[in-house]
Amino acid sequence: AQSVTQPDIHITVSEGASLELRCNYSYGATPYLFWYVQSPGQGLQLLLKYFSGDTLVQGIKGFEAEFKRSQSSFNLRKPSVHWSDAAEYFCAVVSYSGNTPLVFGKGTRLSVIA
Amino acid sequence: DAGVIQSPRHEVTEMGQEVTLRCKPISGHNSLFWYRQTMMRGLELLIYFNNNVPIDDSGMPEDRFSAKMPNASFSTLKIQPSEPRDSAVYFCASRLGQMNTEAFFGQGTRLTVV
Repeated sequence: AQSVTQPDIHITVSEGASLELRCNYSYGATPYLFWYVQSPGQGLQLLLKYFSGDTLVQGIKGFEAEFKRSQSSFNLRKPSVHWSDAAEYFCAVVSYSGNTPLVFGKGTRLSVIA
Repeated sequence: DAGVIQSPRHEVTEMGQEVTLRCKPISGHNSLFWYRQTMMRGLELLIYFNNNVPIDDSGMPEDRFSAKMPNASFSTLKIQPSEPRDSAVYFCASRLGQMNTEAFFGQGTRLTVV
Protein backbone atom coordinates (compact mmCIF):
# COMPACT_ATOMS: atom_id res chain seq x y z
CA ALA A 1 0.00 0.00 0.00
CA GLN A 2 1.17 3.49 -0.68
CA SER A 3 2.26 5.75 2.15
CA VAL A 4 3.52 9.28 2.58
CA THR A 5 6.11 10.53 5.03
CA GLN A 6 6.58 14.13 6.00
CA PRO A 7 9.65 14.04 8.26
CA ASP A 8 9.22 17.52 9.71
CA ILE A 9 6.37 18.00 12.15
CA HIS A 10 6.99 21.71 12.67
CA ILE A 11 9.16 24.23 10.87
CA THR A 12 9.76 27.87 11.72
CA VAL A 13 11.12 30.30 9.16
CA SER A 14 11.63 34.03 9.05
CA GLU A 15 9.48 36.12 6.78
CA GLY A 16 11.26 36.55 3.47
CA ALA A 17 13.36 33.42 3.89
CA SER A 18 13.13 30.46 1.57
CA LEU A 19 11.18 27.35 2.46
CA GLU A 20 11.40 23.67 1.66
CA LEU A 21 8.98 21.10 3.06
CA ARG A 22 9.91 17.49 2.57
CA CYS A 23 7.72 14.67 1.36
CA ASN A 24 8.64 11.08 0.62
CA TYR A 25 6.26 8.49 -0.73
CA SER A 26 6.27 4.76 -0.87
CA TYR A 27 4.74 3.26 -3.95
CA GLY A 28 5.82 0.76 -6.59
CA ALA A 29 4.99 2.86 -9.62
CA THR A 30 4.73 6.54 -10.39
CA PRO A 31 1.95 7.92 -8.27
CA TYR A 32 -0.05 11.06 -8.59
CA LEU A 33 1.18 13.58 -6.02
CA PHE A 34 -0.44 16.56 -4.36
CA TRP A 35 0.29 19.29 -1.86
CA TYR A 36 -2.54 20.77 0.16
CA VAL A 37 -2.55 23.64 2.65
CA GLN A 38 -4.82 23.97 5.67
CA SER A 39 -5.29 27.24 7.49
CA PRO A 40 -6.59 27.13 11.08
CA GLY A 41 -10.23 26.12 11.22
CA GLN A 42 -10.41 25.61 7.49
CA GLY A 43 -10.57 22.73 5.08
CA LEU A 44 -7.73 21.68 2.81
CA GLN A 45 -6.92 23.68 -0.31
CA LEU A 46 -4.93 22.32 -3.22
CA LEU A 47 -1.60 24.05 -3.81
CA LEU A 48 -0.33 21.97 -6.72
CA LYS A 49 -0.31 18.52 -8.23
CA TYR A 50 1.95 16.29 -10.31
CA PHE A 51 0.74 13.67 -12.75
CA SER A 52 3.37 13.41 -15.45
CA GLY A 53 5.69 15.45 -17.64
CA ASP A 54 7.82 18.25 -16.29
CA THR A 55 9.02 17.23 -12.84
CA LEU A 56 8.94 20.82 -11.57
CA VAL A 57 5.38 21.96 -11.07
CA GLN A 58 4.12 25.41 -10.22
CA GLY A 59 1.22 26.03 -7.90
CA ILE A 60 -0.76 28.81 -6.37
CA LYS A 61 0.60 31.39 -3.94
CA GLY A 62 4.10 31.18 -5.40
CA PHE A 63 4.73 27.55 -4.40
CA GLU A 64 6.46 24.96 -6.51
CA ALA A 65 7.36 21.31 -6.03
CA GLU A 66 9.82 18.98 -7.67
CA PHE A 67 9.23 15.29 -8.28
CA LYS A 68 12.37 13.18 -7.96
CA ARG A 69 11.71 9.59 -8.84
CA SER A 70 15.15 8.39 -7.72
CA GLN A 71 14.54 9.75 -4.24
CA SER A 72 10.79 9.05 -4.10
CA SER A 73 10.36 12.65 -3.07
CA PHE A 74 8.06 15.53 -3.86
CA ASN A 75 9.35 18.49 -1.88
CA LEU A 76 7.51 21.76 -1.71
CA ARG A 77 9.42 25.03 -2.05
CA LYS A 78 8.86 28.75 -1.92
CA PRO A 79 11.64 31.30 -2.48
CA SER A 80 10.30 33.94 -0.08
CA VAL A 81 7.83 33.16 2.67
CA HIS A 82 5.11 35.58 3.71
CA TRP A 83 3.50 35.70 7.16
CA SER A 84 0.23 34.55 5.58
CA ASP A 85 1.88 31.25 4.61
CA ALA A 86 1.73 30.08 8.22
CA ALA A 87 -0.47 26.98 8.06
CA GLU A 88 -0.38 23.19 7.98
CA TYR A 89 0.88 21.57 4.80
CA PHE A 90 -0.04 18.08 3.65
CA CYS A 91 1.50 15.93 0.99
CA ALA A 92 -0.75 13.30 -0.55
CA VAL A 93 -0.48 10.44 -3.00
CA VAL A 94 -2.97 8.46 -5.03
CA SER A 95 -2.14 5.28 -6.85
CA TYR A 96 -1.93 5.09 -10.62
CA SER A 97 -4.77 2.65 -10.95
CA GLY A 98 -8.44 2.65 -10.34
CA ASN A 99 -10.50 5.14 -8.46
CA THR A 100 -8.57 5.22 -5.22
CA PRO A 101 -8.56 7.89 -2.54
CA LEU A 102 -5.77 10.23 -1.53
CA VAL A 103 -3.44 9.03 1.20
CA PHE A 104 -2.06 11.87 3.27
CA GLY A 105 1.10 12.43 5.23
CA LYS A 106 0.88 13.57 8.84
CA GLY A 107 1.46 17.18 7.83
CA THR A 108 4.06 19.86 8.55
CA ARG A 109 3.10 22.92 10.54
CA LEU A 110 4.77 26.07 9.29
CA SER A 111 5.30 29.04 11.57
CA VAL A 112 6.54 32.35 10.18
CA ILE A 113 8.35 34.86 12.39
CA ALA A 114 9.12 38.48 11.68
CA ASP B 1 -20.35 26.30 -7.28
CA ALA B 2 -20.41 26.73 -3.50
CA GLY B 3 -17.94 23.92 -2.99
CA VAL B 4 -18.35 20.98 -0.66
CA ILE B 5 -20.78 21.89 2.08
CA GLN B 6 -20.68 20.24 5.48
CA SER B 7 -23.04 20.68 8.39
CA PRO B 8 -22.93 21.36 11.18
CA ARG B 9 -19.60 23.20 11.50
CA HIS B 10 -19.45 22.43 15.19
CA GLU B 11 -21.17 19.76 17.22
CA VAL B 12 -20.99 19.21 20.95
CA THR B 13 -22.75 16.16 22.26
CA GLU B 14 -22.84 13.96 25.30
CA MET B 15 -21.35 10.51 25.35
CA GLY B 16 -23.84 7.92 24.21
CA GLN B 17 -25.80 10.23 21.95
CA GLU B 18 -26.23 9.72 18.24
CA VAL B 19 -24.40 12.16 15.98
CA THR B 20 -25.08 12.73 12.29
CA LEU B 21 -22.72 14.66 10.09
CA ARG B 22 -23.86 15.82 6.67
CA CYS B 23 -22.14 16.51 3.40
CA LYS B 24 -23.21 17.94 0.07
CA PRO B 25 -20.54 17.31 -2.59
CA ILE B 26 -19.82 19.53 -5.55
CA SER B 27 -22.44 19.01 -8.23
CA GLY B 28 -21.28 16.54 -10.86
CA HIS B 29 -18.56 14.96 -8.73
CA ASN B 30 -18.87 11.21 -8.62
CA SER B 31 -16.55 10.31 -5.75
CA LEU B 32 -17.02 11.24 -2.12
CA PHE B 33 -14.65 10.72 0.79
CA TRP B 34 -14.97 10.99 4.55
CA TYR B 35 -11.79 11.75 6.51
CA ARG B 36 -11.17 12.19 10.22
CA GLN B 37 -8.43 14.49 11.50
CA THR B 38 -6.86 14.25 14.94
CA MET B 39 -3.59 15.46 16.37
CA MET B 40 -2.41 11.94 17.03
CA ARG B 41 -3.29 10.22 13.78
CA GLY B 42 -3.53 13.06 11.28
CA LEU B 43 -5.92 12.63 8.35
CA GLU B 44 -7.44 9.18 8.20
CA LEU B 45 -9.69 7.96 5.43
CA LEU B 46 -12.87 6.49 6.90
CA ILE B 47 -14.84 5.54 3.82
CA TYR B 48 -15.28 6.50 0.22
CA PHE B 49 -18.04 6.24 -2.34
CA ASN B 50 -17.95 6.06 -6.08
CA ASN B 51 -21.19 6.80 -7.91
CA ASN B 52 -23.01 6.59 -4.54
CA VAL B 53 -21.70 3.08 -3.88
CA PRO B 54 -19.41 2.46 -0.88
CA ILE B 55 -16.11 1.18 -2.23
CA ASP B 56 -13.93 0.84 0.85
CA ASP B 57 -15.04 1.24 4.44
CA SER B 58 -12.03 -0.42 6.01
CA GLY B 59 -11.12 2.85 7.69
CA MET B 60 -14.33 3.00 9.69
CA PRO B 61 -13.07 2.47 13.22
CA GLU B 62 -15.96 0.52 14.68
CA ASP B 63 -19.50 -0.63 14.04
CA ARG B 64 -20.64 2.51 15.83
CA PHE B 65 -19.73 4.37 12.64
CA SER B 66 -21.89 4.17 9.52
CA ALA B 67 -22.08 6.18 6.32
CA LYS B 68 -24.63 6.45 3.58
CA MET B 69 -24.94 8.17 0.26
CA PRO B 70 -28.58 7.91 -0.81
CA ASN B 71 -28.04 10.08 -3.88
CA ALA B 72 -25.34 11.96 -5.74
CA SER B 73 -25.85 15.16 -3.78
CA PHE B 74 -25.92 14.01 -0.18
CA SER B 75 -24.02 11.85 2.27
CA THR B 76 -24.17 11.27 6.01
CA LEU B 77 -21.74 9.93 8.56
CA LYS B 78 -23.40 8.66 11.70
CA ILE B 79 -21.89 7.74 15.03
CA GLN B 80 -24.11 5.80 17.42
CA PRO B 81 -23.39 5.79 20.29
CA SER B 82 -20.75 8.49 20.41
CA GLU B 83 -17.73 8.33 22.72
CA PRO B 84 -15.23 10.98 23.85
CA ARG B 85 -12.49 9.40 21.70
CA ASP B 86 -14.58 10.20 18.63
CA SER B 87 -13.83 13.89 19.17
CA ALA B 88 -12.10 15.11 16.01
CA VAL B 89 -12.61 17.17 12.90
CA TYR B 90 -14.45 15.25 10.21
CA PHE B 91 -13.93 16.26 6.60
CA CYS B 92 -15.92 15.41 3.53
CA ALA B 93 -14.27 15.69 0.11
CA SER B 94 -15.49 15.12 -3.42
CA ARG B 95 -13.75 14.46 -6.71
CA LEU B 96 -14.68 14.38 -10.36
CA GLY B 97 -13.42 11.42 -12.31
CA GLN B 98 -10.62 9.10 -11.45
CA MET B 99 -7.32 9.36 -9.63
CA ASN B 100 -5.79 12.12 -11.70
CA THR B 101 -8.01 14.84 -10.37
CA GLU B 102 -7.82 16.58 -7.07
CA ALA B 103 -10.26 16.19 -4.23
CA PHE B 104 -12.08 19.28 -2.97
CA PHE B 105 -12.61 19.52 0.76
CA GLY B 106 -15.39 20.95 2.86
CA GLN B 107 -14.72 23.15 5.88
CA GLY B 108 -15.10 20.23 8.23
CA THR B 109 -17.24 19.46 11.26
CA ARG B 110 -15.55 19.79 14.63
CA LEU B 111 -17.09 17.15 16.87
CA THR B 112 -16.68 17.24 20.63
CA VAL B 113 -18.08 14.40 22.68
CA VAL B 114 -18.20 15.12 26.42
